[in-house]
Amino acid sequence: EVQLVESGGGLVQPGGSLRLSCAASGFTFSSYWMHWVRQAPGKGLVWVSRINSDGSSTSYADSVKGRFTISRDNAKNTLYLQMNSLRAEDTAVYYCARDAIVVVPAASLYYYYYYYMDVWGKGTTVTVSS
Amino acid sequence: DIQMTQSPSSLSASVGDRVTITCRASQGISNSLAWYQQKPGKAPKLLLYAASRLESGVPSRFSGSGSGTDYTLTISSLQPEDFATYYCQQYYSTPTFGGGTKVEIK
Repeated sequence: EVQLVESGGGLVQPGGSLRLSCAASGFTFSSYWMHWVRQAPGKGLVWVSRINSDGSSTSYADSVKGRFTISRDNAKNTLYLQMNSLRAEDTAVYYCARDAIVVVPAASLYYYYYYYMDVWGKGTTVTVSS
Repeated sequence: DIQMTQSPSSLSASVGDRVTITCRASQGISNSLAWYQQKPGKAPKLLLYAASRLESGVPSRFSGSGSGTDYTLTISSLQPEDFATYYCQQYYSTPTFGGGTKVEIK
């Protein structure tokens, strides 16, 4: 069974740090890009960060750039999110999600590439409060 | 970043109703759109991708359409298990989500 299991959430004071983990199983983890998405209490989904399959390329939402670091250990089938300088507004459920792609042939030997997030973990809760 | 505007933000409907949710992108996204369903306390679940392709295992009462900047999720006959919040997401560039549409029981 394809599965993602987050851990590492908890209560932390403003300015503190936390490292989230996402353990993957049931698929070849090293072949997939991965994401972190968060959801503040009662709010919508917000994309946080993305990492490519070998960890050589990352991107971040402006709200976390310079404070959060995404990484992965393909030998351990695990995705990480190091969160530093935490703020009250970082309080949220953090989900890891698998990146998927479908390639659709188009006219004249071109192809369309469509990306989406097909597998999600159950989430881990981060609360930033004094 | 591409902004995604969903409407309505909430709706009340009855079992058996046809429900339509719209999502508008701030620029063209070439069908790079996915729809997710989320129930309280649960993770989002993928329903459709590439605007109209149904994820495996998702009931055929869910369908998607659209092009350019405007996209639609339709539930042809609302079932009790469909009461949830629905999100659109573009992945033409850095992913962004719509604000969500909560579908409630009338």
